[in-house]
Amino acid sequence: NAGVTQTPKFQVLKTGQSMTLQCAQDMNHEYMSWYRQDPGMGLRLIHYSVGAGITDQGEVPNGYNVSRSTTEDFPLRLLSAAPSQTSVYFCASRTGTRRANEQFFGPGTRLTVL
Amino acid sequence: GENVEQHPSTLSVQEGDSAVIKCTYSDSASNYFPWYKQELGKRPQLIIDIRSNVGEKKDQRIAVTLNKTAKHFSLHITETQPEDSAVYFCAASKGWGGATNKLIFGTGTLLAVQP
Repeated sequence: NAGVTQTPKFQVLKTGQSMTLQCAQDMNHEYMSWYRQDPGMGLRLIHYSVGAGITDQGEVPNGYNVSRSTTEDFPLRLLSAAPSQTSVYFCASRTGTRRANEQFFGPGTRLTVL
Repeated sequence: GENVEQHPSTLSVQEGDSAVIKCTYSDSASNYFPWYKQELGKRPQLIIDIRSNVGEKKDQRIAVTLNKTAKHFSLHITETQPEDSAVYFCAASKGWGGATNKLIFGTGTLLAVQP
């Protein structure tokens, strides 16, 4: 299993540009989430999904869109990038099994918005 | 919504000493409390977790304690080693046994173990 994969690893955007961060998992996990990590602020939840076709907002959803058309994929879209969205983005997944709560994180995408 | 506070933000200990990191949460309905370790440039990885029906859990040199009444939980690392140096995050969720997937993290503690 590849686990949770993210592309790209690094990205530089100009203010106003749009892009999609890709996330995929091959563990058949129902739950997937996007976090952003900023110095001194920990990991903040952007959006999450409890299954294909179901998404909900996290702590900091503004400026981001998500969709979940398949179990495997959970892309994060930046509609009009702003310097405040410069961050490291982590995708995570976990099974919906009652006894297993561990979240598995992807390697991260480092995004810089100029 | 849930809010998780974590202290201290930085912690420096001598190799072999113990380290304690503390977190408080605001939502009394939270029932699952994991701890993640993140080494420099790497992804966070789960090191230990505890459910609200348990007061303490231990795994070798790592232990977690939970006080539901005070809404506190702590990570204890004994006999620290240089490879324990990393950022540690606590988190809280109402997700154990249910459909809620919202895991709220603390702001992290940078632990430095001096040889």
